[in-house]
Amino acid sequence: GAVVSQHPSWVICKSGTSVKIECRSLDFQATTMFWYRQFPKQSLMLMATSNEGSKATYEQGVEKDKFLINHASLTLSTLTVTSAHPEDSSFYICSARDLRGIGIQYFGAGTRLSVL
Amino acid sequence: AQSVTQPDIHITVSEGASLELRCNYSYGATPYLFWYVQSPGQGLQLLLKYFSGDTLVQGIKGFEAEFKRSQSSFNLRKPSVHWSDAAEYFCAVGALWDSGNTPLVFGKGTRLSVIA
Repeated sequence: GAVVSQHPSWVICKSGTSVKIECRSLDFQATTMFWYRQFPKQSLMLMATSNEGSKATYEQGVEKDKFLINHASLTLSTLTVTSAHPEDSSFYICSARDLRGIGIQYFGAGTRLSVL
Repeated sequence: AQSVTQPDIHITVSEGASLELRCNYSYGATPYLFWYVQSPGQGLQLLLKYFSGDTLVQGIKGFEAEFKRSQSSFNLRKPSVHWSDAAEYFCAVGALWDSGNTPLVFGKGTRLSVIA
């Protein structure tokens, strides 16, 4: 199946700093990517839909100024957690649909963010 | 509105025993259905998918699922569980041939524990 690469897999940062997470579709083009947040032992929470060449669409309750999304190319989307605080600590997962077929949604391996 | 229900939050089975994880969906359009598995600290891996044809689909790792339109169900089964199957399992539904801008709708997941 198609591959979605997410980097870094784990990041620790100090409170107040910004962290950038990259998501790449390695063997297909993704005009749309999705960013999720997952708390321990809970399901995925869709944060935003990232659209190549246009602004991201954020889910209700997600602060767009806190979670900046840039979809600069057909294979790369980035999520920047700005001025991170301990409550932003979580597991973030990106995903993209491969539209060459029926549109299977593939996931990155996730990024664990720990804010001290 | 589209929704996926996984009635069982947590299931424990003995190694070697059979397994069935339940999934019910509500979807207005022609659905296509997926099961994903998530190991701790990892992203989601596609186990199997259904979009047409034979209602019994085979997936990786010895899993299978049966689509029953009359019951709006897509239950996941495995005849003999291995300890390595312990993980979180997510059922998801999407619209066939949609624009690709819409993420799949996920259930809340079922955590599988395997005991000796």
